[in-house]
Amino acid sequence: DTAVSQTPKYLVTQMGNDKSIKCEQNLGHDTMYWYKQDSKKFLKIMFSYNNKELIINETVPNRFSPKSPDKAHLNLHINSLELGDSAVYFCASSQVSGANTGELFFGEGSRLTVL
Amino acid sequence: AQSVTQLDSHVSVSEGTPVLLRCNYSSSYSPSLFWYVQHPNKGLQLLLKYTSAATLVKGINGFEAEFKKSETSFHLTKPSAHMSDAAEYFCVVSAPYGGATNKLIFGTGTLLAVQP
Repeated sequence: DTAVSQTPKYLVTQMGNDKSIKCEQNLGHDTMYWYKQDSKKFLKIMFSYNNKELIINETVPNRFSPKSPDKAHLNLHINSLELGDSAVYFCASSQVSGANTGELFFGEGSRLTVL
Repeated sequence: AQSVTQLDSHVSVSEGTPVLLRCNYSSSYSPSLFWYVQHPNKGLQLLLKYTSAATLVKGINGFEAEFKKSETSFHLTKPSAHMSDAAEYFCVVSAPYGGATNKLIFGTGTLLAVQP
């Protein structure tokens, strides 16, 4: 069974469209994250939720809206897509505040290409 | 502010030879440091972590890292490279975000190539 699963794995869309990426974890973790990895492999946190509560919200355009319906799911909706949004988006989860222990479990990523 | 610097963007070794991936850190207090590995088209996996216990940390797949405060370094090593070690490696530091929450700050990565 996949621990952290993201869908879709690949997403190609036009500028201006709206798209969503879904994430689910079956590890029973309390905290989930969205990270963005750019074309140079640089990885940066976007959001983090703990038990459905937003605890980390980095400087991200408000076109990006995370939603956590329950602690096992964290979705990412992106409005009015721009070329610069092209990246690989990783979902991750951890028990409690994983950044203290460093033990995050990552999904395999969703590669978004905006044309 | 906490940060990490990976000194090499690419490292190439021959199979069976030692691996050294270098990382320096900057931190205003005793840091928590980690190494993650990312195989092609895969998610990241924790290799090992240092959280102010033993300075020599052993991880999975034969990797280890030594925390050296005097040199502000946390280099990753392995005695003998295997073809399956070819991947991107990230040095990571934990940094305060606010309240009791921390966030992970990733280095720019080192791509390890293993030649047969």
